[in-house]
Amino acid sequence: SQQGEEDPQALSIQEGENATMNCSYKTSINNLQWYRQNSGRGLVHLILIRSNEREKHSGRLRVTLDTSKKSSSLLITASRAADTASYFCATALIQGAQKLVFGQGTRLTINP
Amino acid sequence: EPEVTQTPSHQVTQMGQEVILRCVPISNHLYFYWYRQILGQKVEFLVSFYNNEISEKSEIFDDQFSVERPDGSNFTLKIRSTKLEDSAMYFCASGARDNYNEQFFGPGTRLTVL
Repeated sequence: SQQGEEDPQALSIQEGENATMNCSYKTSINNLQWYRQNSGRGLVHLILIRSNEREKHSGRLRVTLDTSKKSSSLLITASRAADTASYFCATALIQGAQKLVFGQGTRLTINP
Repeated sequence: EPEVTQTPSHQVTQMGQEVILRCVPISNHLYFYWYRQILGQKVEFLVSFYNNEISEKSEIFDDQFSVERPDGSNFTLKIRSTKLEDSAMYFCASGARDNYNEQFFGPGTRLTVL
C-alpha cells in the first residue's frame, strides 16, 4: 500500500488563482509535512502540521489535516508564477519511526 | 538562516566505482538522513543516523551502502560499487527532533552511473 498519495498529479492554473493540492495516507501519523521542489532542485520545507492540529497557516499557505479521513490539503492563495514547482506531502509515522514517507507529488504550473 | 549543504552537486562515475557523497548538516541538529529520488519518481528514505549509529534503514540500503559522521560536521554516504540503478538525486537531511521530526533537506547530489 502507498503512504502519502497526492492528487491531482498535475495542476495548471492562472496567476492569482488559488491552488489546492490533496494528500491521502493509510496509517496513523505523528505529523505531516509539505515540501516544494523546483525542477531538478532540492526540497524546500514549507510547513509541518502535527496530528493533533487541524489547520495551520504560513503566509499564503494554508494546510489542513483530517486524521479521521487520513487526508491533508495544501492551499496556496493568490498564486504567483514563482509558485510553479512540484509539491510533496511527507508523513512521519507514529511509533518512533523517524523516516519521512513521501508521496508522488503534484506538479503545479502557474500560467502568467 | 542555517542550511544543509551537499557536495558535489553532480557526480559522474563508472559502474563498479566507489563514490562518497558529502553533507554538512545544520550545526545544532542531532538527526541525519539520506534519501534518494530516481528521476521522475518519489523521494525514498535510505537511512537515518543518530548518536553515531544507524537508527533505521530501508531495504534499498544494502551492504553496498554505508554512512559515517567522520567529524563534528560532515555526514557522508558511501556507495562501494555503484550500479546503473544507483543513478539518482541523493538528498541529505537533518533534524533537531523535538517530538516532531521536522527535517531540512540539502540541495542534493545528482549521481550519474555510466
